[in-house]
Amino acid sequence: GENVEQHPSTLSVQEGDSAVIKCTYSDSASNYFPWYKQELGKGPQLIIDIRSNVGEKKDQRIAVTLNKTAKHFSLHITETQPEDSAVYFCAASQTGANNLFFGTGTRLTVIP
Amino acid sequence: ETGVTQTPRHLVMGMTNKKSLKCEQHLGHNAMYWYKQSAKKPLELMFVYSLEERVENNSVPSRFSPECPNSSHLFLHLHTLQPEDSALYLCASSQGTGDYGYTFGSGTRLTVV
Repeated sequence: GENVEQHPSTLSVQEGDSAVIKCTYSDSASNYFPWYKQELGKGPQLIIDIRSNVGEKKDQRIAVTLNKTAKHFSLHITETQPEDSAVYFCAASQTGANNLFFGTGTRLTVIP
Repeated sequence: ETGVTQTPRHLVMGMTNKKSLKCEQHLGHNAMYWYKQSAKKPLELMFVYSLEERVENNSVPSRFSPECPNSSHLFLHLHTLQPEDSALYLCASSQGTGDYGYTFGSGTRLTVV
């Protein structure tokens, strides 16, 4: 089955700086890569996703890049704000599968 | 009400109790999921229902029993649990299985004493 590894497990940045979280996957058939943000006391919330026919996708301050050859994808958050503090999860899946395979999460802390 | 709603938010139960977790989605999705979230571990898929049929049972012990009476409701029946079953149980829904984003509920924090 698919194996998703996520790094780092914790990340602290100063407000206004950028944050980057990286994930690798093992199954070359995976073609869908979502990112989730989980705030304290809440369930994970989908913030951005990318499919394998696209190399990069942006949505305001967040962007995701995908390198299919190397089987890794990254989340980039620019101009970080305190409300970006949360746990972020990457995941991988493929068309027709019954499951998303999740990474172990990155706890991001933005220091005011 | 929109989104995915889970009840109760918190549950403490003894090892001999029987309880049920409830999940309801108002998004018109046709796939629903139960996940277990434990500290420092990836989210663990437990069950998947697509169009009210169970399509995945991820080697979950029989003390966990799911039920999907219709496409909007999902239950997880619990009996004779163990302390290691204490975790956050998350329900999610999606438009279909595979390459679709999930909408998660806020979860039920379960403590087995």
